[in-house]
Amino acid sequence: EAQVTQNPRYLITVTGKKLTVTCSQNMNHEYMSWYRQDPGLGLRQIYYSMNVEVTDKGDVPEGYKVSRKEKRNFPLILESPSPNQTSLYFCASSLSPSAETQYFGPGTRLLVL
Amino acid sequence: KQEVTQIPAALSVPEGENLVLNCSFTDSAIYNLQWFRQDPGKGLTSLLLIQSSQREQTSGRLNASLDKSSGRSTLYIAASQPGDSATYLCAALHYGQNFVFGPGTRLSVLP
Repeated sequence: EAQVTQNPRYLITVTGKKLTVTCSQNMNHEYMSWYRQDPGLGLRQIYYSMNVEVTDKGDVPEGYKVSRKEKRNFPLILESPSPNQTSLYFCASSLSPSAETQYFGPGTRLLVL
Repeated sequence: KQEVTQIPAALSVPEGENLVLNCSFTDSAIYNLQWFRQDPGKGLTSLLLIQSSQREQTSGRLNASLDKSSGRSTLYIAASQPGDSATYLCAALHYGQNFVFGPGTRLSVLP
């Protein structure tokens, strides 16, 4: 089944404790992206990747890191999480965003205390 | 910087009504405009994608139009059903390959 998976789905952590949210797709998509969704602010793009070893900042990259060492995986890293990073995070992928739609993962709900 | 807005923020209609959701964007330098549906607590599901060179796309009871010059897109839902209740989001893909989403329209279709 074609899908985008994220782990964990729910995470509670404390300020400053490094964490990684994994994202994996099985569709051989070149484009992958991370978003955060906050009430009243909608979905905002954090980082995106056009292909392996190619990443670029979205609208809200501060406090986040990403890497794209393999085509299927695109982890989101919070080196020192802060309470303002409490949010719902979505990973998405697409074969070619200019021609085809994005497929979204189920989301990761993060609470930073 | 691209800004995407959606009107109305929320909408409640009786079953069977035809309805229109609006999406506006400030920068016309886009590859495409996409419409998504989001059910509570879940991820997004793609509904329609309109290329910048196209005027409209249709899928079943859904029809989306795009007027790039005026920075507007509309999603038309015919004969609405309770199962259509969800939040509808539009997203513009900018030439820089970054997506900008609107805040969404929360739709409730009453039986």
